[in-house]
Amino acid sequence: DIQLTQSPSFLSASVGERVTITCRASQGISSYLAWYQQKPGKAPKLLIYSASTLQSGVPSRFSGSGSGTEFTLTINSLQPEDFATYYCQQLKSYPVTFGPGTKVDIK
Amino acid sequence: QVQLQESGPGLVKPSETLSLTCTVSGDSIGSYYWSWIRQPPGKGLEWIGFMHSRGSTKDNPSLKSRATMSVDTSKNQFSLKLSSVTAADTAVYYCARHLDVDTALDSFDYWGQGTLVTVSS
Repeated sequence: DIQLTQSPSFLSASVGERVTITCRASQGISSYLAWYQQKPGKAPKLLIYSASTLQSGVPSRFSGSGSGTEFTLTINSLQPEDFATYYCQQLKSYPVTFGPGTKVDIK
Repeated sequence: QVQLQESGPGLVKPSETLSLTCTVSGDSIGSYYWSWIRQPPGKGLEWIGFMHSRGSTKDNPSLKSRATMSVDTSKNQFSLKLSSVTAADTAVYYCARHLDVDTALDSFDYWGQGTLVTVSS
């Protein structure tokens, strides 16, 4: 199985800050990576697919980059509604796997 | 607007079979792949498996062949059965649609709200 790690696992940030989350894969996955946002008690929401393509309806302050084994999710100018847990997901091979998550909290 | 809704018992006894159904509205179940994902309380996401109305399915080997998935196109529903459950199967179970038509390895753009299934005697 392809393992995904995320760093940091937790971060505390203020509204308006720029936030970067890193996802690393245990082997190369090209650009077969997606990012999700999950709020408490809710289903995950697709933000980014193919490493850098913004899902329809997602604000442009979210962006993704990377390929191979290292990927980043950047949130420019963090908004109050962005405080949530973020997961990466690899789609290179079966089984599909998710990272352990990064919780973004209010400073 | 595509909507997915999971349904099934919220409590299952150990060693029994967990059965869930996902009802899809706003779209035909026929063109896409559909997956099940679960999330133990306070933990991360685990992909269970996918299915397609043409009959292809694939499950996560971590489940040791306990998962069975099926589809009922007449009702626009698909289902999950997980046999021989233990407390470790306690989780919120989600159904989800794959992003692109006819794409098996894909991200998930529409999700159900999730249903908590507790395994306990």
